[in-house]
Amino acid sequence: AQSVSQHNHHVILSEAASLELGCNYSYGGTVNLFWYVQYPGQHLQLLLKYFSGDPLVKGIKGFEAEFIKSKFSFNLRKPSVQWSDTAEYFCAVSHSGSARQLTFGSGTQLTVLP
Amino acid sequence: NAGVTQTPKFQVLKTGQSMTLQCAQDMNHNSMYWYRQDPGMGLRLIYYSASEGTTDKGEVPNGYNVSRLNKREFSLRLESAAPSQTSVYFCASMSPGLGLEGQFFGPGTRLTVL
Repeated sequence: AQSVSQHNHHVILSEAASLELGCNYSYGGTVNLFWYVQYPGQHLQLLLKYFSGDPLVKGIKGFEAEFIKSKFSFNLRKPSVQWSDTAEYFCAVSHSGSARQLTFGSGTQLTVLP
Repeated sequence: NAGVTQTPKFQVLKTGQSMTLQCAQDMNHNSMYWYRQDPGMGLRLIYYSASEGTTDKGEVPNGYNVSRLNKREFSLRLESAAPSQTSVYFCASMSPGLGLEGQFFGPGTRLTVL
């Protein structure tokens, strides 16, 4: 069974700091990769996704993620965070054999201090 | 488009009571999902329905039943609620094909079982 690891449970940054959230997955085949964001009191929203092609993916609100196949990683980055980025971030994976099911990581709570 | 809607938003039950969580989507999606979200555990799939008339178990199906009433609606039933089912429940749907847009989530139902 595939699994997704997000090693940072809680990250605290000051505004304008750079962000990198780690995501590693365990599955040897072709994968589809997602990052979702959940703002306080809201539902999950898709931040960005990778299916194929350029491993550097750009999403909404200045976020990007890089797929490194050899490291089974899909880390989320943002050069300069804002207070409004305070949220919980979830990495998710689906694989080609079950493309319609997602496996989620445990989430990373990001707190950005003004 | 309302997207994915869920009712109720909040519910408090006593141990042993039953209830049904309702979910509807107006995006003409084939696949629908029920997740539970617990602190530090991310989202775990309870049941899903790949298409109208089909349902399958996910990672944590015990204590739950589902009904795919029609293409729009997918309900989750707790027959005899237990405190371990205290959680936030999210419904999601996904478009046909490869689901290139990922899954769309509802606003969630916060359930407390006393």
